[in-house]
Amino acid sequence: DAKTTQPPSMDCAEGRAANLPCNHSTISGNEYVYWYRQIHSQGPQYIIHGLKNNETNEMASLIITEDRKSSTLILPHATLRDTAVYYCIVRDNSGGSNYKLTFGKGTLLTVNP
Amino acid sequence: DTGVSQNPRHKITKRGQNVTFRCDPISEHNRLYWYRQTLGQGPEFLTYFQNEAQLEKSRLLSDRFSAERPKGSFSTLEIQRTEQGDSAMYLCASSSTSVSYEQYFGPGTRLTVT
Repeated sequence: DAKTTQPPSMDCAEGRAANLPCNHSTISGNEYVYWYRQIHSQGPQYIIHGLKNNETNEMASLIITEDRKSSTLILPHATLRDTAVYYCIVRDNSGGSNYKLTFGKGTLLTVNP
Repeated sequence: DTGVSQNPRHKITKRGQNVTFRCDPISEHNRLYWYRQTLGQGPEFLTYFQNEAQLEKSRLLSDRFSAERPKGSFSTLEIQRTEQGDSAMYLCASSSTSVSYEQYFGPGTRLTVT
């Protein structure tokens, strides 16, 4: 079962920042927070991941709270092409049988013109 | 970079028939995953290969399902005696040992069992 809780849907205006929350209150010390997104009729796409510190790449920023029980994915300037289902996933990177991703239902982000 | 490819993209079959799907991962990736996704749900893990070895299978993978990766390159997923409940999108993903955190997904094969 997914260990994360996300709102089922969110709206954002084009050009504005989209802030997608995720709760993972039972996260363990070895588990990373991952974000993937799935645009309609496509396979999921990796966005970003982090353990404790905030992370930023060309797609997004990831803010993880100090207690690591929640995080926020930030798309700084949302475009219409960012409309997708966003999945927050926790995963242990220590290897063995833990390479699989356990998806929940995600958040459908709709970017409006 | 050709990405992960899957064939066919769509398959319609009658209940009771066998179907086989193919996944071609990114060439240097030694890890390959199969997931299944039904409408309104996130993808669910089915099985995982490292090179040609199948290292993990989900409880979702009933006896009617079999997956192979004979030479550690492409993989096939076969469903025997299909049932209507098998209707879903079947997704393949691959990753490399050195960059295991990022799985690259293919476009999926949509199966409809009538």
